[in-house]
Amino acid sequence: EAGVTQFPSHSVIEKGQTVTLRCDPISGHDNLYWYRRVMGKEIKFLLHFVKESKQDESGMPNNRFLAERTGGTYSTLKVQPAELEDSGVYFCASSQDHGGGSYGYTFGSGTRLTVV
Amino acid sequence: KNQVEQSPQSLIILEGKNCTLQCNYTVSPFSNLRWYKQDTGRGPVSLTIMTFSENTKSNGRYTATLDADTKQSSLHITASQLSDSASYICVVRGNQFYFGTGTSLTVIP
Repeated sequence: EAGVTQFPSHSVIEKGQTVTLRCDPISGHDNLYWYRRVMGKEIKFLLHFVKESKQDESGMPNNRFLAERTGGTYSTLKVQPAELEDSGVYFCASSQDHGGGSYGYTFGSGTRLTVV
Repeated sequence: KNQVEQSPQSLIILEGKNCTLQCNYTVSPFSNLRWYKQDTGRGPVSLTIMTFSENTKSNGRYTATLDADTKQSSLHITASQLSDSASYICVVRGNQFYFGTGTSLTVIP
């Protein structure tokens, strides 16, 4: 089966610009998560979708970040306007159930965002 | 404060040798603990998951242990291979998921 797909794989934008990251989860996975790894720090949770609903968005850093999952399929994460501290690797993960089951969560390869 | 700390930060070992990675956590409440392997440029891939009642779980050459009383876990890699070179991340699930910063393992011939 196809894994979790993220694109772009890399994005370099100027401070103040807008960037939209996309995640295509594994087909049939209702649970979709966004995570972020800032350089030198641990991966941190951003938010969790169950189908098209935001189940938990407690990790979203501020209102410059907007996540959507229309139709409960793919998800987008928009950063507007981007700031230098938004640079990092943004991971998406999906799972059939929130607990992850025996196989855990399937992660995408991430989008490396660099804001200059 | 919910935290996950891993040690060592980096490790270099000879091919064929064994190694043990450590994970200490202060996450509460505790649901489960997972070890992930992340190859460069790829997303993390799950190796093991352990719940409160499990002490040891193996996945091939990987063996994870959990001491829920001391809130410590370890990942033991036996007979290392060059392909084991990666970042190993400990993730603890409480009310949300808490990630360690990872241990970077390099296996050299």
